[in-house]
Amino acid sequence: DIQMTQSPSSLSASVGDRVTITCRASQSISNYLNWYQQKPGKAPKLLIYASSSLQSGVPSRFSGSGSGTDFTLTISSLQPEDFATYYCQQSHSTPRLTFGGGTKVEIK
Amino acid sequence: EVQLVESGGGLVQPGRSLRLSCAASGFTFDDHAMHWVRQAPGKGLEWVSGISWSSRSIGYAESVKGRFTISRDNAKNSLYLQMNSLRAEDTALYYCAKDLFAVVGTTSTIDYWGQGTQVTVSS
Repeated sequence: DIQMTQSPSSLSASVGDRVTITCRASQSISNYLNWYQQKPGKAPKLLIYASSSLQSGVPSRFSGSGSGTDFTLTISSLQPEDFATYYCQQSHSTPRLTFGGGTKVEIK
Repeated sequence: EVQLVESGGGLVQPGRSLRLSCAASGFTFDDHAMHWVRQAPGKGLEWVSGISWSSRSIGYAESVKGRFTISRDNAKNSLYLQMNSLRAEDTALYYCAKDLFAVVGTTSTIDYWGQGTQVTVSS
């Protein structure tokens, strides 16, 4: 099975900061990588699909990049509503999906 | 508006069975693959199972393979998860989720989630 490793597992940042979260796959997954945001007590929300495509309605401060084994999610200017946990998910090993362990973004 | 409403969760003893249901509305159900994803208390997301629009392609996580069965009824716009031989480690909030695409494949992307149904396995 393909393992997905996110780093860091948590981070503290201030409003306005540029934040980068990394996701590494245990083998090449091309660009079959999605990013989700989850706030406490809520269902996850799709942010980025196919590594770099922004889901409709998601603010443009969110961006994704990468291919192969290394991927990043960047928030260009952190807003108060962005404090949440972020997950990557691969779909290369069809029909089996795998999520990363999550990165919690907290207020500094 | 897309709506996914899960039901069927509850408290069950180890070794027993439970069947989860998900009622879908607000989209053309048989145009999309569907998934079950779970989240144990205080833990991350774990994909459980997925099924293509036609039910021809189905996948399971290793942790549930042989114990859980996913199915769908396109005429009723419903998704199901039959869970047998339940274990304490199956305790989680189970989400019904819609795929952006019709098949469970390399492009599988979850674009809508329900609010979840809680399953607790304990004696």
